[in-house]
Amino acid sequence: GESVGLHLPTLSVQEGDNSIINCAYSNSASDYFIWYKQESGKGPQFIIDIRSNMDKRQGQRVTVLLNKTVKHLSLQIAATQPGDSAVYFCAETPGNTPLVFGKGTRLSVIA
Amino acid sequence: NAGVMQNPRHLVRRRGQEARLRCSPMKGHSHVYWYRQLPEEGLKFMVYLQKENIIDESGMPKERFSAEFPKEGPSILRIQQVVRGDSAAYFCASSPNFGAYEQYFGPGTRLTVT
Repeated sequence: GESVGLHLPTLSVQEGDNSIINCAYSNSASDYFIWYKQESGKGPQFIIDIRSNMDKRQGQRVTVLLNKTVKHLSLQIAATQPGDSAVYFCAETPGNTPLVFGKGTRLSVIA
Repeated sequence: NAGVMQNPRHLVRRRGQEARLRCSPMKGHSHVYWYRQLPEEGLKFMVYLQKENIIDESGMPKERFSAEFPKEGPSILRIQQVVRGDSAAYFCASSPNFGAYEQYFGPGTRLTVT
């Protein structure tokens, strides 16, 4: 179920280290997953997506891993930079229904 | 190519007043989604519209809330008789095709009800 009013989990990493942000999704019928980055006061920004027929997809400095067996999604950010500080959300959908967003993780980069 | 535009960016209303939030999708996009975000929470789907049609309003409260996307002009999310619990950030997203893929978000409207 969903929790209301809890503080976001926070991940603190040193600048230059790799970051791994995890997400557990709930709908086994979901076949499309997206990671969004949301900076303070702004709308979500698309980072990377993956379909259920893949288990890994790479972008520029980011990699998304999908484990359908345990319904787990992760976002890896290589060489984390101060500009990566934001809240990261995963979202899922079976494709013909609205996106369902996870609760989010706050990434804090320590210079 | 301008992104999704929302206005106003900030809106303050007293309890009982009406709030109108506007969203202009990206050029060439005919599908619009509205989401609500409370502090420290993820986005919650409200309504999905195509030009002149409501496709899915399963996330929208049955009372006081309505949405439209006319043939000409922006999409409007209307909240009548606002209450303090309506205070939130409201985000609009647009996509070029049917379905939930490739949604691009606007900067949001932050509604404060006093």
